[in-house]
Amino acid sequence: SSELTQDPAVSVALGQTVRITCQGDSLRSYYASWYQQKPGQAPVLVIYGKNNRPSGIPDRFSGSSSGNTASLTITGAQAEDEADYYCNSRDSSGNHDYVFGTGTKVTVL
Amino acid sequence: EVQLVESGGGLVQPGGSLRLSCAASGFTFSSYWMSWVRQAPGKGLEWVANIKQDGSEKYYVDSVKGRFTISRDNAKNSLYLQMNSLRAEDTAVYYCARVPITMVQGVITNWFDPWGQGTLVTVSS
Repeated sequence: SSELTQDPAVSVALGQTVRITCQGDSLRSYYASWYQQKPGQAPVLVIYGKNNRPSGIPDRFSGSSSGNTASLTITGAQAEDEADYYCNSRDSSGNHDYVFGTGTKVTVL
Repeated sequence: EVQLVESGGGLVQPGGSLRLSCAASGFTFSSYWMSWVRQAPGKGLEWVANIKQDGSEKYYVDSVKGRFTISRDNAKNSLYLQMNSLRAEDTAVYYCARVPITMVQGVITNWFDPWGQGTLVTVSS
């Protein structure tokens, strides 16, 4: 099955920009989706498809992809963006199996 | 309001069984793939199982194949996960999620939205 690798942790100064990456072979064939999870809460979708934001997600969140790497960028990070972030894509097998990334803890300084 | 509410979690002994339920509201349940995703304490997210709109296709992560069964009742707007032969490593919060799927520039695109609040399953003697 596929694997998606993320950096375990990144930090960003308040108001600055941070990029979170997700690497995996399946990303050559499928778009990633991205989820924000705060302690004790369910995950929340922040980016899906080529670069789509669900209603209610601030436009400081954006997504991009190149080759086997997908990225989530937070432009002008806010204190409330401190959370765990997970990528997800369909498994490269082509079945309806899915795989989540290992997760990135974002700390806003 | 689109909503998913899980129930059925609890403490169970190794080798035991448990059935989780997920009640859906605010959308046409029968039009969507649905999934179960779990998160062990202090760990990341793990996709567990998927089921097609009419229940005709089901997919599982390797670690639960032969032990877990996903099912749905479209008349009751409900999703289920029957878990048998439970192991300590199945201890986790279990979330149900809706899985919209579409085609974007020839690429099949899916995402998980929304998620339920989760239900905790603890496997311990």
